[in-house]
Amino acid sequence: QVQLQESGLGLVKTSETLSLTCGVSGYSISSGFFWGWIRQPPGKGLEWLGSIYNSGTTYYNPSLNSRVTISVDTSKNRFSLNLTSLSAADTAVYYCVRDRWASYDFWGPGRLVTVSS
Amino acid sequence: QSALTQPPSASGSPGQSVTISCTGTSSDVGGYNYVSWYQKHPGKAPRLMIYEVNKRPSGVPDRFSGSKSGTSASLAITGLQAEDEADYYCQSHDSSLSDYVFGTGTKVTVL
Repeated sequence: QVQLQESGLGLVKTSETLSLTCGVSGYSISSGFFWGWIRQPPGKGLEWLGSIYNSGTTYYNPSLNSRVTISVDTSKNRFSLNLTSLSAADTAVYYCVRDRWASYDFWGPGRLVTVSS
Repeated sequence: QSALTQPPSASGSPGQSVTISCTGTSSDVGGYNYVSWYQKHPGKAPRLMIYEVNKRPSGVPDRFSGSKSGTSASLAITGLQAEDEADYYCQSHDSSLSDYVFGTGTKVTVL
């Protein structure tokens, strides 16, 4: 069974950078599929942030204005999210997912990240 | 990035049926057969219920079905059960922005 688990700091300061990592078990990232990040601010809906293939090819949400970077480490079977220039609007639960092209079939449990000054 | 439009709420009694709509444009829902639906319980990660308009992943009950007509998609739940009470989100690819967009979400209440 494919399992994903987010890790990283849960409290970050305004204007700084959010960094999260997603460890994958039960499936080798090198075998295929895209791998992505989705977030949900408190009381709001879901927002796709971006996805990456094992080759390093990335697709990002254009509304994030180049603040987002996703990278992959196939040797450790994990991928990471960096989000720069944080504001309170970036406070959300962040999920890592397996992206089977326009649908997400496996999700991590989610990591609440709070942005505060 | 414009979210797909869903009704805020829907409800039904146990055993009844409920249908949730998801309205987009010709650049997203109407342009591709890549519409997915997710179920989300409070405090839990979303669960994929339908992909590619009408396909069910392994383990999803056949009480859940998806369809599409023009620029609108629908999720139907038949034989409502208490555990179906959750938020439901649709999602599609948006070719105009090279983006993936989600719906506004619908809260399903089992009366």
